[in-house]
Amino acid sequence: DAGITQSPRYKITETGRQVTLMCHQTWSHSYMFWYRQDLGHGLRLIYYSAAADITDKGEVPDGYVVSRSKTENFPLTLESATRSQTSVYFCASTGSNEQFFGPGTRLTVL
Amino acid sequence: DAKTTQPPSMDCAEGRAANLPCNHSTISGNEYVYWYRQIHSQGPQYIIHGLKNNETNEMASLIITEDRKSSTLILPHATLRDTAVYYCIVSRGGSQGNLIFGKGTKLSVKP
Repeated sequence: DAGITQSPRYKITETGRQVTLMCHQTWSHSYMFWYRQDLGHGLRLIYYSAAADITDKGEVPDGYVVSRSKTENFPLTLESATRSQTSVYFCASTGSNEQFFGPGTRLTVL
Repeated sequence: DAKTTQPPSMDCAEGRAANLPCNHSTISGNEYVYWYRQIHSQGPQYIIHGLKNNETNEMASLIITEDRKSSTLILPHATLRDTAVYYCIVSRGGSQGNLIFGKGTKLSVKP
C-alpha cells in the first residue's frame, strides 16, 4: 500500500530493554522525521534525515538512535528504554511542502 | 523558527464557519505559515500553508494579514468530523524547515 506506515502500532517493554520502531514510506521522499507526543502536548522532533545516510538531531534526541540505510526506511531505536520514553511516536516524510505522518506507535515502558 | 500563539480551545456550531486565529509576530520573511490538525490520536494531517497571499483549497482557507504577524484558518462549513486539535506552525518549509508544534487549538464542533 502506498503511504507511510509504522510498526509496531503498540509496544510494551521494560526499562533497560532495546526497542526499535520502524517507519516505511513508499513515495521515495528525501526527508523523514521522528516525533514524540506526550499526553496533552504537541509533537517534539527527535531526529530527522535529509537522505539516506544523512541524519541530524532534533529537539529531544537523547536516548535515541536512528539510521537510514535506505531512502524508504527510517528506524528509531531506544538503546536502553526508560519510563520517560513512554510516549506516542510519529514518523513523517516530505517531498516538498507538506509533511505526511504515519499512524503512530504507542510505546509503554514499564 | 518563529513561535506561534493560539487560543487553547474554541467551539463552533455544526454547519457554521470556524475561524481559528494564530499570532506569529516574529515570523521571518522566508517562513511560511502552516496549518495541521490532529484528530483524536491519529497522526497530524496537513491542511494548508501560505507565505504572503491568502490561500484556499478543498479543506480550508488561510488568511494572512498584510504584516504577516497573524493569520486565520477558516473552515467554511464545519462538521462534527472537524473536531480536532489545530496547529499553526511557522517554518521555512517542507524539506528545509522542521515543524515546531505548540499545543494548538482544540476545536469542538457541536451539533
